[in-house]
Amino acid sequence: QTVVTQEPSFSVSPGGTVTLTCGLSSGSVSTTYYPSWYQQTPGQAPRTLIYSTNTRSSGVPDRFSGSILGDKAALTITGAQAEDECDYYCVLYLGPGNSVFGGGTKLTVL
Amino acid sequence: EAQLVESGGGLVQPGGSLRLSCEASGFTFSSYPMSWVRQAPGKGLAFVSSITSSGADTYYADSVKGRFTISRDNSKNTLYLQINSLRVGDTAVYYCARRLPYYFESWGQGTLVTVSS
Repeated sequence: QTVVTQEPSFSVSPGGTVTLTCGLSSGSVSTTYYPSWYQQTPGQAPRTLIYSTNTRSSGVPDRFSGSILGDKAALTITGAQAEDECDYYCVLYLGPGNSVFGGGTKLTVL
Repeated sequence: EAQLVESGGGLVQPGGSLRLSCEASGFTFSSYPMSWVRQAPGKGLAFVSSITSSGADTYYADSVKGRFTISRDNSKNTLYLQINSLRVGDTAVYYCARRLPYYFESWGQGTLVTVSS
């Protein structure tokens, strides 16, 4: 069974830059997995941030960017703000009807 | 702007059944694949099921195969999830989501299903 891995937690200073990653239990992540990223504040529905590796969803600030770094997908927040403190999930597309979520990263801004 | 409103959640005993609904508006519902994603209390998001725009093809996570059935009524702009043989482990907020190629594009606010005796 394919497992999508994310850092359980990460910390960044206000105004700082942080890169969250999304990997596979076996193998490398490439653009063919169409990685997407979602933001979720506790008690709220997820919000789509990035799709197809690096395309920002409508209304998403340009401080959020996506890429492939080495063998993982990456979400970079440049100039982190207090409101960015929440959970972030990546999804990898493995085929029709087979989208796998990572376990999520809890980001702290302090 | 796409709007998705889930309903049908509630408290149910183990072994029971529920039918969740997701009413869509603001877009041509019949043109889009749709999905259900769930989140157990304090846990991460997990894919549950998807259905193509016509309803001809359906997909399920292994954990729900044989117990959950996804369907849609394009004339009513509504997505459904019939959940049978409920287990305590099915307790979660269930979100419906509009699918675009390879990702979940829009999300509803979710409906809570609690399985407990």
